[in-house]
Amino acid sequence: GAGVSQSPSNKVTEKGKDVELRCDPISGHTALYWYRQRLGQGLEFLIYFQGNSAPDKSGLPSDRFSAERTGESVSTLTIQRTQQEDSAVYLCASSFYWGLSYEQYFGPGTRLTVT
Amino acid sequence: SQQGEEDPQALSIQEGENATMNCSYKTSINNLQWYRQNSGRGLVHLILIRSNEREKHSGRLRVTLDTSKKSSSLLITASRAADTASYFCATDTYMDSNYQLIWGAGTKLIIKP
Repeated sequence: GAGVSQSPSNKVTEKGKDVELRCDPISGHTALYWYRQRLGQGLEFLIYFQGNSAPDKSGLPSDRFSAERTGESVSTLTIQRTQQEDSAVYLCASSFYWGLSYEQYFGPGTRLTVT
Repeated sequence: SQQGEEDPQALSIQEGENATMNCSYKTSINNLQWYRQNSGRGLVHLILIRSNEREKHSGRLRVTLDTSKKSSSLLITASRAADTASYFCATDTYMDSNYQLIWGAGTKLIIKP
């Protein structure tokens, strides 16, 4: 079956512009996660959605970051007024249910470059 | 903030040798997972070990968990060139009433032919 897909695969934007990243999870997965990975580093947890529950936004680094999810489907991560330190690969993952009791399936990521 | 730590940061061994990577964490956890990341396949789940388990095996992989030391190790036996990748551990915990997923910075493993 189809895996997790993300778009765009690459995004170059100017400092101060807004960007929107998209994630399509695996069908039937109720949990969806967003991570940020800077070059040569591990993953930084940003936000997760579980079903129709309010998302856990505790990992979002600033109020410039926001995310939405339509039911148990597509999610978008929006970064407003981008800064150079936002440059990173943004990874989306989905799992059957939230929590590390379940395997997470990752998308290929969106590489964001802020110039 | 990142609390998981893997060591070594980088490891280079000959094909056929065993590779051991370690992960330490700071808070009590529910579960610990190991993932592999390479340019070809992205991030892929390897193995899950729960806080009440001490050891798990999956093919050439062996994971141990010592909750008293807050550490885990991943052993890859009879390494192959295809094992060249970065390996990450991830833990989940509750901090300040919030659910947290914490990832280490990873161990970069190079298998020399």
